[in-house]
Amino acid sequence: GAVVSQHPSRVICKSGTSVKIECRSLDFQATTMFWYRQFPKQSLMLMATSNEGSKATYEQGVEKDKFLINHASLTLSTLTVTSAHPEDSSFYICSAKPALVDNYGYTFGSGTRLTVV
Amino acid sequence: GDSVTQMEGPVTLSEEAFLTINCTYTATGYPSLFWYVQYPGEGLQLLLKATKADDKGSNKGFEATYRKETTSFHLEKGSVQVSDSAVYFCALRGTGANSKLTFGKGITLSVRP
Repeated sequence: GAVVSQHPSRVICKSGTSVKIECRSLDFQATTMFWYRQFPKQSLMLMATSNEGSKATYEQGVEKDKFLINHASLTLSTLTVTSAHPEDSSFYICSAKPALVDNYGYTFGSGTRLTVV
Repeated sequence: GDSVTQMEGPVTLSEEAFLTINCTYTATGYPSLFWYVQYPGEGLQLLLKATKADDKGSNKGFEATYRKETTSFHLEKGSVQVSDSAVYFCALRGTGANSKLTFGKGITLSVRP
């Protein structure tokens, strides 16, 4: 089955530094990947949609200069949280849509717990 | 726009009890409907799905039927286990090749022995 690997699973960084989160589709090509943010005991909030080889589409209210998304290949998308602050601490999850087969559902990564101190 | 409404939680049940988690939706056209499950500290796993009206999705003893007339996709299981304890999200995907998923708020299920 389709597998999405997300790395790292946990990261602690100092305020003001940048953190990169990777999302890889291991056994399929993904033309589209989605990045979500999840606050404790809350639902997933879509941050942006990234398409391979083009600029990401950000949801309203999401700072594109703070959350940099790159989708340089059909198997890798990255989210970089720039100049992180404690309020950026959250659980970030990616999901991927297969390029060739649309099974209507998207495969999710295991998430990244970011803590900014 | 599209939206998904889930019943308020949390839900606590005894093992082998019957489970129903309500989910209703608002969408244009004919969306696909999903239930995802999230175990503590993990990402989401697809539990089941239905892509058209009257379809029944099923997996691991869980079932949900796509009811267009009531715009609902309630999740049921006849006998829950402690291992079913998790957060459950109802979601829909609109029409279109790269349509995004819209999630409900999620509900925490705790099953006690």
